[in-house]
Amino acid sequence: EVVLTQSPGTLSLSPGERATLSCRTSQSVSSYYFAWYQQKPGQAPRLLIYGASNRATGIPDRFSGSGSGTDFTLTINRLEPEDFAVYYCQQYNSSPGYTFGQGTRLEVK
Amino acid sequence: QVQLVQSGAEVKKPGSSVKVSCKASGGSFSGYGISWVRQAPGQGLEWMGVIIPGLGTTNYAQKFQDRVTISADESTSTAYMELSSLTSEDTAVYYCARDVVRLDVWGQGTTVIVSS
Repeated sequence: EVVLTQSPGTLSLSPGERATLSCRTSQSVSSYYFAWYQQKPGQAPRLLIYGASNRATGIPDRFSGSGSGTDFTLTINRLEPEDFAVYYCQQYNSSPGYTFGQGTRLEVK
Repeated sequence: QVQLVQSGAEVKKPGSSVKVSCKASGGSFSGYGISWVRQAPGQGLEWMGVIIPGLGTTNYAQKFQDRVTISADESTSTAYMELSSLTSEDTAVYYCARDVVRLDVWGQGTTVIVSS
């Protein structure tokens, strides 16, 4: 089973700064099946990025994804107050299906 | 625009089963899959399985293989997730999500509490 490890566990930044979130996989995965989600307290996750670098519908262009193989990055430019949340990376493989990283908490410094 | 609306919160006894529903509106139900993901209190996301209603096929995470049944009723555009032999470790929020090899539309979540 592919294990996804996100770093850092918690990221403390101020509005207006840039956030860089990392996700490493235990083995090479297809970029086509790699995604990032945002989750705010009490809410369902929201798809941000799919196919490693494609923004989902309605996602602002300050969010960008990059990477391939085993190393993937989510970058958030010019942090807005509403961006402070937990972020999960995810990969899909026919077996065992979807696996998620443990999450990175982005908090206000 | 597809929307997914889930059934309400449940409180169950250990050893019992729970069945959560997920009704789709605003789009074709047969053109995609419905995945189920759960989140225990303060924890991360855990995928449980998927159904493709148009094909009637399912795929379950190995962890839940023996306890979960995912089904769908195309006539009502509703998917179901039934989890049996509940323990306190099954206390979680259960989400359904539209599965197009990414989970792009999510239900609001259903809280399931397992307590004696």
